[in-house]
Amino acid sequence: EAGVTQSPTHLIKTRGQQATLRCSPISGHTSVYWYQQALGLGLQFLLWYDEGEERNRGNFPPRFSGRQFPNYSSELNVNALELEDSALYLCASSRYGANVLTFGAGSRLTVL
Amino acid sequence: AQRVTQPEKLLSVFKGAPVELKCNYSYSGSPELFWYVQYSRQRLQLLLRHISRESIKGFTADLNKGETSFHLKKPFAQEEDSAMYYCALFNFGNEKLTFGTGTRLTIIP
Repeated sequence: EAGVTQSPTHLIKTRGQQATLRCSPISGHTSVYWYQQALGLGLQFLLWYDEGEERNRGNFPPRFSGRQFPNYSSELNVNALELEDSALYLCASSRYGANVLTFGAGSRLTVL
Repeated sequence: AQRVTQPEKLLSVFKGAPVELKCNYSYSGSPELFWYVQYSRQRLQLLLRHISRESIKGFTADLNKGETSFHLKKPFAQEEDSAMYYCALFNFGNEKLTFGTGTRLTIIP
């Protein structure tokens, strides 16, 4: 069984640009979660999608957004990039209502 | 609001010595707590959850509601236990999993 896959592995952008990160959940999982792992800050909850709907979001500005597609894959968009957006972005998936998450390897975003 | 606190960023323990990684939480409801682990160059993965009351890789964790703690323990550390450990709390209300900042455990040979 394929795990949670994320792309790209690394992404380098400059301030003000936009970044798009992608995630494919485990087959059968309808919920996708996005977390930001910045140095020294642990994992900060960003967004939760299920069945194509945004179910919850963390304390991040609106320039962090995303969506979930009919095949349950998801993308995270970060607009107007700032230097402090540099971090590892982790995607996780689960069955709806299950509270055990399976994580992907992450996408490392560097903003110059 | 829910919060998870891991007071130690770094912890070094000699091989064969006992290990205790601390985790305290604040949550108004009945919590469900987890420990996740990230070994070097591997993905973050579930280690154990309190409702399972099981021992994984020799690790156990007991939920102490009075002290609002969920410390992770192992009686005899092994070199392969070196990793980053995260405590996490699941809020049934908003279905959000909140992580602590993590503790990097290093086992000294």
